[in-house]
Amino acid sequence: GEDVEQSLFLSVREGDSSVINCTYTDSSSTYLYWYKQEPGAGLQLLTYIFSNMDMKQDQRLTVLLNKKDKHLSLRIADTQTGDSAIYFCAEKLRAGTALIFGKGTTLSVSS
Amino acid sequence: GAVVSQHPSRVICKSGTSVKIECRSLDFQATTMFWYRQFPKKSLMLMATSNEGSKATYEQGVEKDKFLINHASLTLSTLTVTSAHPEDSSFYICSARLISNTEAFFGQGTRLTVV
Repeated sequence: GEDVEQSLFLSVREGDSSVINCTYTDSSSTYLYWYKQEPGAGLQLLTYIFSNMDMKQDQRLTVLLNKKDKHLSLRIADTQTGDSAIYFCAEKLRAGTALIFGKGTTLSVSS
Repeated sequence: GAVVSQHPSRVICKSGTSVKIECRSLDFQATTMFWYRQFPKKSLMLMATSNEGSKATYEQGVEKDKFLINHASLTLSTLTVTSAHPEDSSFYICSARLISNTEAFFGQGTRLTVV
């Protein structure tokens, strides 16, 4: 079945690294995504990774994919208060299909 | 980058009335648009997949007569909530995908409150 799981909350101090974890059950995922949602706003695509890759880095963001364990993580280096938001992990199974989302991880950054 | 615009961003309506939400891809063509509903502290629930020029495909449990979806062009899809009830109050988000592209871009969402 299709299921994407995330921890619900993460709290870090400003300047620390944040690591948000996600697990999924369907091994046929083609792409995996990370989205950011600020209060009352839509979803902003942060980054995505193709299922045959194991790492992708984009400035402060590092995505790690362990396909064997069906585990995806998002690391945010030097976390800032502006990074406080809900982060959604999502997978796409086949071309043209909708994304399947986790319930989101609320990241709280304290100064 | 690709921009998806939703309108309105907030709407309050009375029970029994209908509300139309627009989703536009501003700088690209999207053969497929997706409509999601987000409940408080919950993930996004896919409501339907909207294909340009054809009938929308609804997810199980979503009433197609209540949530009317029209995808009249490659840049516009509309969701009409008919005979709205307070339990329809929610955050509705659309998503559009570029033709032959991996990324899905989301609108800013519409907060619907039915009183």
